[in-house]
Amino acid sequence: KQEVTQIPAALSVPEGENLVLNCSFTDSAIYNLQWFRQDPGKGLTSLLLIQSSQREQTSGRLNASLDKSSGRSTLYIAASQPGDSATYLCAVEDSNYQLIWGAGTKLIIKP
Amino acid sequence: GAGVSQSPSNKVTEKGKDVELRCDPISGHTALYWYRQSLGQGLEFLIYFQGNSAPDKSGLPSDRFSAERTGGSVSTLTIQRTQQEDSAVYLCASSSERGRVTGELFFGEGSRLTVL
Repeated sequence: KQEVTQIPAALSVPEGENLVLNCSFTDSAIYNLQWFRQDPGKGLTSLLLIQSSQREQTSGRLNASLDKSSGRSTLYIAASQPGDSATYLCAVEDSNYQLIWGAGTKLIIKP
Repeated sequence: GAGVSQSPSNKVTEKGKDVELRCDPISGHTALYWYRQSLGQGLEFLIYFQGNSAPDKSGLPSDRFSAERTGGSVSTLTIQRTQQEDSAVYLCASSSERGRVTGELFFGEGSRLTVL
């Protein structure tokens, strides 16, 4: 059974720092992995989608990597800003086309 | 519409009452998903619609939960005889993918259900 874990559950860093969020999964048989952000009381916004054949995707200050063999993905945020404060979730699409979600990392960027 | 629209945004109901939650996906998106998000938990899959195919209901937690999608567009999630454990945020998402792979999901802002 696929399980997705995000560590840490919460992270607080000063503005301007580069940071890495982690996502691990137990079964490497996946179709893709997505990173989302969720602002309080809001829905989710898709940030990056990495297909199983890809190693990374980039969008602006965000870079997501995927290492299927080790069951890991990282989301790198460069030059963090207070507006980056949100909960970041990762989800893998498993071999049964089901999205399996992590519980998220709550990120706080301190001005 | 420009985005996924959900209503109501907030619903408070008494235990035992029925509730209906509505989702209007992005125009042209054939795939529609319902998820449930309980406080501090990851998202829980409920049901998936793809075009005119039979829906994947494998995530519905009990027979009190049902969902319909009329005309391949708007969807309604119905919870009968609500229980306190049904309290959660119910999220709807749509995708332009026509195959079984999920692809990029676009979420609505959710319907927060509180059962007293």
